[in-house]
Amino acid sequence: AQSVTQLDSQVPVFEEAPVELRCNYSSSVSVYLFWYVQYPNQGLQLLLKYLSGSTLVKGINGFEAEFNKSQTSFHLRKPSVHISDTAEYFCAVPGGGSQGNLIFGKGTKLSVKP
Amino acid sequence: AAGVIQSPRHLIKEKRETATLKCYPIPRHDTVYWYQQGPGQDPQFLISFYEKMQSDKGSIPDRFSAQQFSDYHSELNMSSLELGDSALYFCASSPVVALGNIQYFGAGTRLSVL
Repeated sequence: AQSVTQLDSQVPVFEEAPVELRCNYSSSVSVYLFWYVQYPNQGLQLLLKYLSGSTLVKGINGFEAEFNKSQTSFHLRKPSVHISDTAEYFCAVPGGGSQGNLIFGKGTKLSVKP
Repeated sequence: AAGVIQSPRHLIKEKRETATLKCYPIPRHDTVYWYQQGPGQDPQFLISFYEKMQSDKGSIPDRFSAQQFSDYHSELNMSSLELGDSALYFCASSPVVALGNIQYFGAGTRLSVL
């Protein structure tokens, strides 16, 4: 079964600093990977996705992620964070279902401080 | 742009009561997914529907049932509520039935069981 592991439950950073949120996956089949963001008291919003092609994926709000097959990683990065990036970030992969239900990591809470 | 609509946004019930959560997918999306997110937890897949037929089941208790109607809206029915059912329930919809499809999430229904 596919799964993802998010290595950090909380990441505190100062505004305008770079950030990397780590995600490792395990899969024996074709890999599709997603990053979703959940702002306080809101639903999940897709940040970016990797389906195939270029290993560097750019998403919304200045985020990007790099698919690394040899390290089975899909880390999320942003060169300069803002207060408004404070949220919980989830890495996800399709589960075993035929309709592509998602399996999420445990999430990483990003706290951006002034 | 239209989004996934969930109602109600908040629901308070007592133990052993029943609850019905509703989800209205984005127009022309024929696949609906339900997820449960417990406090401080990652979202867990419950069940999905494609073209009004149940397609996949995840960790959905037998006390819960769901269906998708002819207008593609979906309802999650929860009976004999337990304290542990207190969670945020998300609905997501997708226009494509395939691995790697993008799921669009609603804002969720927060269920509190007292």
